[in-house]
Amino acid sequence: GAGVSQSPRYKVAKRGQDVALRCDPISGHVSLFWYQQALGQGPEFLTYFQNEAQLDKSGLPSDRFFAERPEGSVSTLKIQRTQQEDSAVYLCADAQDRDGEQYFGPGTRLTVT
Amino acid sequence: AQSVTQLDSQVPVFEEAPVELRCNYSSSVSVYLFWYVQYPNQGLQLLLKYLSGSTLVESINGFEAEFNKSQTSFHLRKPSVHISDTAEYFCAESGSNTGNQFYFGTGTSLTVIP
Repeated sequence: GAGVSQSPRYKVAKRGQDVALRCDPISGHVSLFWYQQALGQGPEFLTYFQNEAQLDKSGLPSDRFFAERPEGSVSTLKIQRTQQEDSAVYLCADAQDRDGEQYFGPGTRLTVT
Repeated sequence: AQSVTQLDSQVPVFEEAPVELRCNYSSSVSVYLFWYVQYPNQGLQLLLKYLSGSTLVESINGFEAEFNKSQTSFHLRKPSVHISDTAEYFCAESGSNTGNQFYFGTGTSLTVIP
């Protein structure tokens, strides 16, 4: 594909439901990142993968948040027992290691009601 | 801790006027700096970046930014804006000690007035 894709683009969940957000990175890009962007804010780092290894998950706000990338390509961000404060746009980005530029997907807008 | 400050949350400017969007970073070690643009209902797109070398970097659509180490700034400028430049602009930094993690500012909403 031409770029990073994310699905679904929009998700409405009732409080307490579990959600799974998918990211399809650019083929061959080793690094993958998840960010959370609240309304009116800049993206905030959640977690980072290099291939299938999750090297940094310091930004995950609680143990309800879980991310995986089992084969080093597609990644899934899972949020269990969603809360209203989880409402945000979740961005996936990937990068080639050499120059540090990150390529962003369109994001998934999650609304928890 | 690293942080990026964008001093202006909203900047209205008339078409064909110059504009400057301010960005200050905090890292005291080697740093990479970026400006991303987000058009309505679209994802973040890289506008320009500073990795090393010349401190003045340019984009293909007339924006430029200058890395100023003494002032820890990376302000974005354009001498003459167009209606199509209306968007949200985010400054970001990463560094050799961050594992490629990006730190973003809170964004500046640029509105070009016809």
